[in-house]
This record gives sequence, structure tokens and C-alpha cells, in this order.
Amino acid sequence: AQSVTQPDIHITVSEGASLELRCNYSYGATPYLFWYVQSPGQGLQLLLKYFSGDTLVQGIKGFEAEFKRSQSSFNLRKPSVHWSDAAEYFCAVGAVEGNKLVFGAGTILRVKS
Amino acid sequence: KAGVTQTPRYLIKTRGQQVTLSCSPISGHRSVSWYQQTPGQGLQFLFEYFSETQRNKGNFPGRFSGRQFSNSRSEMNVSTLELGDSALYLCASASRARTANTEAFFGQGTRLTVV
Repeated sequence: AQSVTQPDIHITVSEGASLELRCNYSYGATPYLFWYVQSPGQGLQLLLKYFSGDTLVQGIKGFEAEFKRSQSSFNLRKPSVHWSDAAEYFCAVGAVEGNKLVFGAGTILRVKS
Repeated sequence: KAGVTQTPRYLIKTRGQQVTLSCSPISGHRSVSWYQQTPGQGLQFLFEYFSETQRNKGNFPGRFSGRQFSNSRSEMNVSTLELGDSALYLCASASRARTANTEAFFGQGTRLTVV
């Protein structure tokens, strides 16, 4: 079965510092990978997705992610964090069945000024 | 175009009651999925409907059910509510049949509190 691990429950970074959120997946074939962001009490917004092709994927709000098959990872990065980036971030893998998504536990990002 | 609309946004129910939540997908989208989000269990898949047919179902008791109408709007129903059903229920719509070539758009969710 597919699974996603986000090893960091909380991460705190200073405004302007770089960010990397880790994501490891378990999937038998070529995975379809996503990063979503959620502000408190809100729905999920898609940041970026990987379906195939170039392993470095650009997303919205200055985020990017790199797919590394050998490490089963899909880490999210941003070169300079803004206070408005504080939120919870979820990595997800698309399951074999239909449009089902399997989510990681999420990483809460805190940004200190 | 309009996003995914979930109604109501907030709901308070008593144990033992039943509740119906509604989701209107993005125009033209035929796939609607439902997720339950709780602090303890995270985001868990409930079920997915595509063209009025349930395609997938997560590991939830039979008290959780859903349906999809011909206009792609979907409802989910929870009967005999328990305190543990308190959660944010999220609906996602997608345009195609498989995650392989599409992406899911989420609504703002319905916050259900069972007292």
C-alpha cells in the first residue's frame, strides 16, 4: 500500500532563511506526488505536483520540490521564507485507485521574525 | 471559475444524530472525494465518486455514506454520530478519472463538532 512519511512535525525558521521540508513515500510504481499547504481552519491549496519528466518541479509562491527516485523522496524547498508562509504543509501521493490521495502527517511551519 | 464549495462551513450536532454535508465541485469536474481531518489521525480518505458511482472507499464504518448527483454535486452522510466524528471534512474535486493526469482541488471544509 502507498504511504507517505513527513519526519518533521514542527519546523521553525527565521524569516528570510531557506526552507526544506522532507517527504518520503512508499509506492510500487512511478508515483504521482503533491505538496499542499493549509492555513488554520482552511482547505488545502496545491503548491506543486510531480507526474513525470523533469525531477525539479516549480510551484506557486516560490516553492520548488525535487523528486529523487533513489531516495524515495520529494522534498519541498524555498530559498527565502516569508512570514506569510507559516502554515501546515502536506505531502501526498496519488494512489492506484482513482483520485485517492494518501497524505503524510503534515509539517507545521513556524516563521520567526 | 468558482472553486469547490462546501456547505455548511460549521455544524454542531449531538451524539446519536445524523448529519449531511454538501459539496459542489468545480464546474465540469466529475470526480468528488471526501476526506476526514482530525488532529490525531490526520487526513484520511473516506470515499470517491465519479460520474455518480462510488469508486473507492476508505476504512470507515458503514455509518459514513455518500452519494453523487447527476450534476456532480455530492453529499456525505454520517449517521448515529459519535464524539470521535468531530473533524474537518474536506471535499476535493478533479476533472479526470485518475490522479495520473490530474490534480485535486479542495474546498474550505465543513467543521463538524459533535457534543
